Amino acid sequence: DTGVSQDPRHKITKRGQNVTFRCDPISEHNRLYWYRQTLGQGPEFLTYFQNEAQLEKSRLLSDRFSAERPKGSFSTLEIQRTEQGDSAMYLCASSLAPLAERGDTQYFGPGTRLTVL
Amino acid sequence: AQTVTQSQPEMSVQEAETVTLSCTYDTSENNYYLFWYKQPPSRQMILVIRQEAYKQQNATENRFSVNFQKAAKSFSLKISDSQLGDTAMYFCAFMKPYSGGGADGLTFGKGTHLIIQP
Repeated sequence: DTGVSQDPRHKITKRGQNVTFRCDPISEHNRLYWYRQTLGQGPEFLTYFQNEAQLEKSRLLSDRFSAERPKGSFSTLEIQRTEQGDSAMYLCASSLAPLAERGDTQYFGPGTRLTVL
Repeated sequence: AQTVTQSQPEMSVQEAETVTLSCTYDTSENNYYLFWYKQPPSRQMILVIRQEAYKQQNATENRFSVNFQKAAKSFSLKISDSQLGDTAMYFCAFMKPYSGGGADGLTFGKGTHLIIQP
């Protein structure tokens, strides 16, 4: 299967711990997005990479959150000092489009479900 | 900021019936993109259909079609001949045009839980 993959699928942690999620986009996709989805809500945009450059960050992405995409391939999302309010599904999506193109079709991964106790 | 509103939290229809899901949005942009995504239970979100705001013709994809009313800022999804596999959460989403600073992702509504009854 060559779709978007995310690891781990589930993560349970205690408040105050750091967690890191990984996303592997579809091969050769140059765009990568992170979203957060809480129960009963639609996904909310967190951040976006065009190749290795992080071009946009939502105000939802507090200073406890950091994302990287070294070499423009896989991406990691780290949450430091987790809080119970961080409990959510974290979704990754990728697409193939040049910088100025909009309306790109995003292909989503299965998500990582984070539970903070 | 853009907002997307889906006023139907849940809908239930019989198999083979036609169902319409509502979506309204608020934006000051003139050119933008609209999407319907489907999220089956415990499965990945997949694109159902997309519409460019500059196109007057409504998009269609097999049994799925949209009714795009730009002036009313309405973007409804019609599913014809509904099937059991159509059972899922359906999200309406908006993307604004390129502004020179890169993309800022999709803005989603809260979703409509569609149940197709046998």
